[in-house]
Amino acid sequence: GQQVMQIPQYQHVQEGEDFTTYCNSSTTLSNIQWYKQRPGGHPVFLIQLVKSGEVKKQKRLTFQFGEAKKNSSLHITATQTTDVGTYFCARSSGSRLTFGEGTQLTVNP
Amino acid sequence: GAVVSQHPSRVICKSGTSVKIECRSLDFQATTMFWYRQFPKKSLMLMATSNEGSKATYEQGVEKDKFLINHASLTLSTLTVTSAHPEDSSFYICSADDGRIYEQYFGPGTRLTVT
Repeated sequence: GQQVMQIPQYQHVQEGEDFTTYCNSSTTLSNIQWYKQRPGGHPVFLIQLVKSGEVKKQKRLTFQFGEAKKNSSLHITATQTTDVGTYFCARSSGSRLTFGEGTQLTVNP
Repeated sequence: GAVVSQHPSRVICKSGTSVKIECRSLDFQATTMFWYRQFPKKSLMLMATSNEGSKATYEQGVEKDKFLINHASLTLSTLTVTSAHPEDSSFYICSADDGRIYEQYFGPGTRLTVT
């Protein structure tokens, strides 16, 4: 199937450290979406990237879409305890989403 | 932002019984609603896509007679887990889009436990 691979599966950081999760596809993506799911919660949309080489920022979060549109990354600068949760990338086919396995982030205060 | 509700949030049922889960878009009309299943510490697996007034489209490997989906209006979709078994225990999440933008709005999820 047209899966998206996401690494790492888990990441533990000290508060203030940076964090990055990576999403890779064997096929070209039309776009990539990122979601955050807090423990016990539901996914919340963060952003969609569409253009090759696109970089978008939301405060401490930086999202990148690769030049070949086969990979994407989410980088968090100076993590805070409120960043705890699982971050998913998802590829869309029409309105159907296929999620990556997610990266579970824990932040030690 | 757009709000999607789910009911119930938790349900415990006995093996062999059926359970209905409701998904409602509260402040917008949902062109399409989606049902996902999520196992602990795992990703979301799309089960089916439903459009108002038409039959749901099920993903490969999802039994349509087991997971009945009804999308009776532009604000309500239901998932009925029929003859539930312990292996059906999971977190079921719905999402909806309004057909205008790409963002999907997720409900809070329903945790089903089958004993």
